[in-house]
Amino acid sequence: SSELTQDPTVSVALGQTVRITCQGGSLRSYYASWYQQKPGQAPLLVIYGKNRRPSGIPDRFSGSTSGNTASLTITGAQAEDEADYYCNSRDGSSNHILFGGGTKLTVL
Amino acid sequence: QVQLQESGPGLVKPSETLSLTCTVSGGSISGYYWSWIRQPPGKGLECIGHVSNSGDIHYNPSLMSRVSISLDTSKKQLSLKVNSVTAADTAVYYCARGEVAIHPLTYYMDVWGKGTTVTVSS
Repeated sequence: SSELTQDPTVSVALGQTVRITCQGGSLRSYYASWYQQKPGQAPLLVIYGKNRRPSGIPDRFSGSTSGNTASLTITGAQAEDEADYYCNSRDGSSNHILFGGGTKLTVL
Repeated sequence: QVQLQESGPGLVKPSETLSLTCTVSGGSISGYYWSWIRQPPGKGLECIGHVSNSGDIHYNPSLMSRVSISLDTSKKQLSLKVNSVTAADTAVYYCARGEVAIHPLTYYMDVWGKGTTVTVSS
């Protein structure tokens, strides 16, 4: 499949744990990367590969993959984590770059 | 550190050609993939296409009949042209640097420009 599917909206209580998922056939070939986007800003890479975080990304962000589903977990969500989150992968046969439709995370 | 800066007209007339440039500063072009991504107002991210410094180019199948991407390694500039634009091409356009990690196999974009807004309107 050449699509990545995300739930459009997810909410979490302040300080609780939330998981955002991304499903697609390309994830059996390429691991997902995850991006956080706040209003008016460019996307920011938060997780890639087998749970790798770029410098400066808090360790409350983590990633995992099982079969064709990738997950981004935020453990102890903070108010500043409220944002849109996008998964991204690459189609192993066509090499096209794919994005999920995005998940809007609300921190209550 | 590496910075990307998009530039180009903010307003394009319908049926005309949209042309954007992304200038890379503070780092090398070599060894990376360079992408154009766009985001229509209130919608998600869409990869238009990407190119490696070896000249390997891949386009989004839904756009490839109207799109051209090129990389000038001497100027460290990535270019985008979209022909026959319509209102549906109105979006924020981003350039981004991509890498492929091998173990495990992962494609990720670790550096993004701030984006430039392009409006298609007469």
